[in-house]
Amino acid sequence: EAQVTQNPRYLITVTGKKLTVTCSQNMNHEYMSWYRQDPGLGLRQIYYSMNVEVTDKGDVPEGYKVSRKEKRNFPLILESPSPNQTSLYFCASRSGLAAGNEQFFGPGTRLTVL
Amino acid sequence: GQNIDQPTEMTATEGAIVQINCTYQTSGFNGLFWYQQHAGEAPTFLSYNVLDGLEEKGRFSSFLSRSKGYSYLLLKELQMKDSASYLCAGGKYNNNDMRFGAGTRLTVKP
Repeated sequence: EAQVTQNPRYLITVTGKKLTVTCSQNMNHEYMSWYRQDPGLGLRQIYYSMNVEVTDKGDVPEGYKVSRKEKRNFPLILESPSPNQTSLYFCASRSGLAAGNEQFFGPGTRLTVL
Repeated sequence: GQNIDQPTEMTATEGAIVQINCTYQTSGFNGLFWYQQHAGEAPTFLSYNVLDGLEEKGRFSSFLSRSKGYSYLLLKELQMKDSASYLCAGGKYNNNDMRFGAGTRLTVKP
C-alpha cells in the first residue's frame, strides 16, 4: 500500500532534550516536506526537499533541522525542543512539482514539549 | 507576500450547496490546491487549478481566477461526512514550496 509513515505518532518530552521524528514514503517520490499545524494558523511548511541531499527552508524553519540521505526518508530533528514547538506535525511527499501531482500526507505526530 | 485567506467557519444544511472562498496575493503561486481534513486526521487532496475556470470532480468543483487572486471550492449535495476543514493552498512550479490558508471548518447540519 502506497503510504507515508511517521514515528512516533505521539510524543511528550521536556525542554532541551533532542528528538527526531522519522518520515518514510514507499512511493519513490522525489519531493518531501514537513509541516506543523497549529490552531488558527493552519499548516505551515517547515522544510522541504526536492531530492536526496537537496533541502530548503520553508515558512518556519527556526529550531528545526532535516536531512535527506535516502530518497524514502526525511527525518525532522529538534536539537533543543522548546514549548513553542508543541504542535501537530505532518510529513508529506509528492512525485513531481506539476500541479496535478498531489501531496500525500503522513498520519501526523502530536508533539508536546513541557 | 503570499498570504492566503479563507473564512474560519461555515455552516450548511445536508443536501445543500456551499461555496468556500479563498483569496491570495497574486504573486508567487502557479497552482491552487484544495485539501479536506477531518478532525484528527491528515489532509487529503481534493482538487487543483492551474488555469482560470472551473474544474469539476463529482460533487466537488473548484474555480480559479488568477488575475483576481481568487478561488473557491463548491460542494454540492452536502452529506454529513463532508463536515471537515477545507484547506486552500498555493504552490509553485519550480520548487516544493507550498503555503496553506488557515482552513475553513465546515459543519453540515441535518
